[in-house]
Amino acid sequence: AVRMTQSPSSFSASTGDRVTITCRASQGVTTYLAWYQQKPGKAPKLLIYAASTLNSGVPSRFSGSGSGTDFTLTISRLQSEDFATYYCQQYYVFPPTFGGGTKVEI
Amino acid sequence: EVQLLESGGGLVQPGGSLRVSCEASGFTFSDYAMSWVRQAPGKGLEWVSFISSGADRTYYADSVKGRFSISRDNSMNTLYLEMSSLRAEDTAVFYCARVTPCGSTSCFYDYWGQGTLVTVSS
Repeated sequence: AVRMTQSPSSFSASTGDRVTITCRASQGVTTYLAWYQQKPGKAPKLLIYAASTLNSGVPSRFSGSGSGTDFTLTISRLQSEDFATYYCQQYYVFPPTFGGGTKVEI
Repeated sequence: EVQLLESGGGLVQPGGSLRVSCEASGFTFSDYAMSWVRQAPGKGLEWVSFISSGADRTYYADSVKGRFSISRDNSMNTLYLEMSSLRAEDTAVFYCARVTPCGSTSCFYDYWGQGTLVTVSS
């Protein structure tokens, strides 16, 4: 299975900050990469797919980039509602696999 | 509005069985493949199982193969996961998720249910 490694696992930030989360795949997954946001006690929410395509209704402050093995999720100006855990997921190779998550704390 | 509503979770003893369900609404259920994804307490997400829209293809994670069975009833807009020989390490919130059509068995998930907690403990 493709191993997805996210870094950092957690970090503190402030509203208004520009935030970047990294996801690395153990083998190339082209751009078959999705990002999810999860808040405590809630289901994951799809933010980005195909590495850089914003899901409908997702604010434009979120963006994704990368291909092959290295990917990033960027939040241009962190808002209070963005404090959450973020997961990457590859869907190029079966079975689909998720990263371990990155918790963005105040 | 797309909605996925899981039910059936609870406390079960090691070695026991349980069936969880996911009732779908707001979309044509029979047009979409579905998956189960689980999350152990305080841990990350783990794909568990996939079923095609017509139920002709099913796949399982190695960790549950031979113990779990996914099925669906398109007339009832309901997805199921039958779990047997349950172990402590199966304790998790189980989410049903709609598979976005991407031409592959391995896709991403555009809608998720709220989850149902399965606790395996004596």
